[in-house]
Amino acid sequence: DQQVKQNSPSLSVQEGRISILNCDYTNSMFDYFLWYKKYPAEGPTFLISISSIKDKNEDGRFTVFLNKSAKHLSLHIVPSQPGDSAVYFCAASELRGNLIFGKGTKLSVKP
Amino acid sequence: NAGVTQTPKFRILKIGQSMTLQCTQDMNHNYMYWYRQDPGMGLKLIYYSVGAGITDKGEVPNGYNVSRSTTEDFPLRLELAAPSQTSVYFCASSYGASNQPQHFGDGTRLSIL
Repeated sequence: DQQVKQNSPSLSVQEGRISILNCDYTNSMFDYFLWYKKYPAEGPTFLISISSIKDKNEDGRFTVFLNKSAKHLSLHIVPSQPGDSAVYFCAASELRGNLIFGKGTKLSVKP
Repeated sequence: NAGVTQTPKFRILKIGQSMTLQCTQDMNHNYMYWYRQDPGMGLKLIYYSVGAGITDKGEVPNGYNVSRSTTEDFPLRLELAAPSQTSVYFCASSYGASNQPQHFGDGTRLSIL
């Protein structure tokens, strides 16, 4: 029973356009959400996070939106760059709980 | 600035063999974690530690053991390797609990044949 779902295994976007990666969750007790980025043969690296008390967090080209009523969050990358091509993992946790990861979405940004 | 270092990067084991995956961090983080990632899947927590001398089971602990004798080191032990343990193993650390971002090593790719 997946508590964190990334239903799109892959996404292809043209350079300069917006990339939108989606994530759904089932546990209403989750109060902290993170996005990680992973290149091949490397470990995941932290990208951006959001607390459940907020609905938006922005860091440069990356913005995460949280819709608690829909149990949905999304990561927007604007503008997309070829170096953004990677696998993106959504993760969630309850207060003082452990992280639960989604299966990941592979983003390909075409020049 | 090493961060989280895992050794070895690759290993092939025979069924029934044992081995220890090493993990060390130089960020003085209290929390450390072991995950496994199977193909096409997300990361699943095997064991974690909130400080030296304290360890606890995660979602998939069977077949593994850990110890945490120092803040820096968190080795993962496989006693009797099984084909189902073929996976990529990631070690991570964080300063605090789950609302602190975790820093990951580059992984150990383990094949059990």
